[in-house]
Amino acid sequence: GENVEQHPSTLSVQEGDSAVIKCTYSDSASNYFPWYKQELGKRPQLIIDIRSNVGEKKDQRIAVTLNKTAKHFSLHITETQPEDSAVYFCAASLGYGQNFVFGPGTRLSVLP
Amino acid sequence: EPEVTQTPSHQVTQMGQEVILRCVPISNHLYFYWYRQILGQKVEFLVSFYNNEISEKSEIFDDQFSVERPDGSNFTLKIRSTKLEDSAMYFCASRPTISSYNEQFFGPGTRLTVL
Repeated sequence: GENVEQHPSTLSVQEGDSAVIKCTYSDSASNYFPWYKQELGKRPQLIIDIRSNVGEKKDQRIAVTLNKTAKHFSLHITETQPEDSAVYFCAASLGYGQNFVFGPGTRLSVLP
Repeated sequence: EPEVTQTPSHQVTQMGQEVILRCVPISNHLYFYWYRQILGQKVEFLVSFYNNEISEKSEIFDDQFSVERPDGSNFTLKIRSTKLEDSAMYFCASRPTISSYNEQFFGPGTRLTVL
């Protein structure tokens, strides 16, 4: 089955700096890759996603890149703010209706 | 904006007791999921449900677990005889069928504590 790895497990950056979180997946048939942000005690919320026919997607300060050949995808957050502090989970899915396989998460701390 | 809701927010039970966790998916969604998250760990898939039947389940979802959609709005997860290791946050999620994206919308979770 699909296996998703995520690095780093913790990441501390200064406010205003960029943060990059990387994930790899094992099943080349996976075609949908969402990123969820989970603040302490709250539900995971989708922040950005990318489909396998797209190499890069950007939404304001966040962007995701996908390398299908290498089977890895990355989340990039620019101009980080304290409210970006949370646990970020990547996931991979075989697509329509399929469950998500989540990575172990990255705890991002943005220091003021 | 419509949201997935879950009740209760926190459930405490004795080992061996049955618990039912309830979810109300977004009204026009037809795919439903249960995930669990043990404290400090990643979110793990339990089961997906579509057209009134289980479409996929993980190895975690053994005979102690069952799901049901008893009416047009609720989606429940039952654990027949709880074990200490069932203590976790349980998230319900739903997604629409008519969509070019596969986003799943998560509920706020039910924290289950088994004593």
